[in-house]
Amino acid sequence: RKEVEQDPGPFNVPEGATVAFNCTYSNSASQSFFWYRQDCRKEPKLLMSVYSSGNEDGRFTAQLNRASQYISLLIRDSKLSDSATYLCVVNRGLTGGGNKLTFGTGTQLKVEL
Amino acid sequence: SQTIHQWPATLVQPVGSPLSLECTVEGTSNPNLYWYRQAAGRGLQLLFYSVGIGQISSEVPQNLSASRPQDRQFILSSKKLLLSDSGFYLCAWSYTGNGYTFGSGTRLTVV
Repeated sequence: RKEVEQDPGPFNVPEGATVAFNCTYSNSASQSFFWYRQDCRKEPKLLMSVYSSGNEDGRFTAQLNRASQYISLLIRDSKLSDSATYLCVVNRGLTGGGNKLTFGTGTQLKVEL
Repeated sequence: SQTIHQWPATLVQPVGSPLSLECTVEGTSNPNLYWYRQAAGRGLQLLFYSVGIGQISSEVPQNLSASRPQDRQFILSSKKLLLSDSGFYLCAWSYTGNGYTFGSGTRLTVV
């Protein structure tokens, strides 16, 4: 079983739609959680951290369910510029320090006119 | 503010040739540094990480090595490249518990 699993998509949605991505992780010792965005042939960039209490940043809402080991990202009022691959990311500590981020393979979003 | 520099942006190398990719971080001290690889159509795979000068840990056995000769410098090397070494190589830095900031990456094609 992969450590972080995501539906690869693609999700093709019209502009203005609401879209939700889900992710599950297998390591219950995981400490922190993130969503990254990766544009084609570019480096991943941090979109937002994910907390159990849920957090919102403009049109983006992230949620964590530790009991179910499940992470979600909701995008409201989709824009053309939201088209990208969204990576679910799970962090665990490393022996001797540092932290290891394990990335899902990503969910591709295409927002269309 | 902190910045991370990675070069070159693209590289085409013949099989059997050596490799050296460099990454430097500015505006911070004693960062945790990482090398990741993203093969075509696949997820990011952690190759090496370093929590301090001269401290290197490898996550997977491979044809590559890493070094950290200075606090803010991280180098990825190979003595002889294989076709399977092709991919998008990303350097990143972080502080423990936080997310990573990635460099702009090096797209390596081994021919």
